[in-house]
Amino acid sequence: RKEVEQDPGPFNVPEGATVAFNCTYSNSASQSFFWYRQDCRKEPKLLMSVYSSGNEDGRFTAQLNRASQYISLLIRDSKLSDSATYLCVSNSGGYQKVTFGTGTKLQVIP
Amino acid sequence: DTGVSQNPRHKITKRGQNVTFRCDPISEHNRLYWYRQTLGQGPEFLTYFQNEAQLEKSRLLSDRFSAERPKGSFSTLEIQRTEQGDSAMYLCASSLSLAASYNEQFFGPGTRLTVL
Repeated sequence: RKEVEQDPGPFNVPEGATVAFNCTYSNSASQSFFWYRQDCRKEPKLLMSVYSSGNEDGRFTAQLNRASQYISLLIRDSKLSDSATYLCVSNSGGYQKVTFGTGTKLQVIP
Repeated sequence: DTGVSQNPRHKITKRGQNVTFRCDPISEHNRLYWYRQTLGQGPEFLTYFQNEAQLEKSRLLSDRFSAERPKGSFSTLEIQRTEQGDSAMYLCASSLSLAASYNEQFFGPGTRLTVL
């Protein structure tokens, strides 16, 4: 079983829709979690950190459920520019070891 | 441009040849990471430096792979006797970390390796 698992998609959604991605992690020692965004043939960039209390940044909301070992990303009012692959990341501490999921591809359709 | 830079951006080589990639992190960043990414997969951790010390290596890093960060600034990743399975995007990232906590990693544009 992979340490971080995501549905690869693609998720094809119309502009203005709300879309949610889930990510499960297997290492209960994981301490911190993040969502990165990766555009086609580009490097990953940090989208947001995920806090236990949940956090929101504009149209994006991230939540963590430690009991069930999953994190989620909600995107409201999808824009064409949101089309990208969203990578779920966990950090199990120590020497900053981070584990990326395979990514979920989102395609926002006009 | 003060971001992470990587050279070369593309490398095509024949099986069995050695290749070396370079990464220049953001200047004040003390941590440097190497990842490998293949199509449809997320980045896979290869190794990590804090300053000049290589503190962690993945099992993915076989004996043919070696990484250095001699002065705690730029880093090189060398692959000896390349195999077709080594074809991938090699990503470098750096971060500034003052404590034992996660800090945002900034990625370079990557070096795309093709082994023929």
